[in-house]
Amino acid sequence: EAEVAQSPRYKITEKSQAVAFWCDPISGHATLYWYRQILGQGPELLVQFQDESVVDDSQLPKDRFSAERLKGVDSTLKIQPAELGDSAMYLCASSSDRVPGNTIYFGEGSWLTVV
Amino acid sequence: AQTVTQSQPEMSVQEAETVTLSCTYDTSESDYYLFWYKQPPSRQMILVIRQEAYKQQNATENRFSVNFQKAAKSFSLKISDSQLGDAAMYFCAYRSPVSNYQLIWGAGTKLIIKP
Repeated sequence: EAEVAQSPRYKITEKSQAVAFWCDPISGHATLYWYRQILGQGPELLVQFQDESVVDDSQLPKDRFSAERLKGVDSTLKIQPAELGDSAMYLCASSSDRVPGNTIYFGEGSWLTVV
Repeated sequence: AQTVTQSQPEMSVQEAETVTLSCTYDTSESDYYLFWYKQPPSRQMILVIRQEAYKQQNATENRFSVNFQKAAKSFSLKISDSQLGDAAMYFCAYRSPVSNYQLIWGAGTKLIIKP
């Protein structure tokens, strides 16, 4: 069964350093999402792509976070500089919306610890 | 704005028994989709079951079934013959065209299985 691939699974970085996460969605899925999840809470949407275009990045802290999906396939989420409060799980997800309301599938997540 | 409410922060059930997790939502739309996701300690978000609002029949997936009451805006999840592997956070989520098909999440219910 096809899966959403994410890397790295775990990242420890020092405050003020740069960090990047990579996501490869399920083949053929035009919609890609990046979420942030604090332990014990639900996911918070950071950015939504439709192909290579940003649909919604209203919750993305743009002073330090950036996301791109240049060829409309895989995507990178970058944080620079990282802050202690950025410690969280970063989840990537994708969906094929040829049929409206299709299921959104999630990767295993990238766990970030900022020290 | 659409909201999703899970009123049970934590539930526990004896192994092999049945448990029901509650979810209510608020919307003025008629076209939407509802999901239950499971997030075990490994943290990957896994789809349990989905329901299209236009379908009157309740969705079922093996030991998992829903009680979808559209007029009452209720979408509860029933887990039969509970197993130790069912222990996880369970999130109810709503998706509709009005919100760019983004998932709107409940706060989650932690399910504990007692051996």
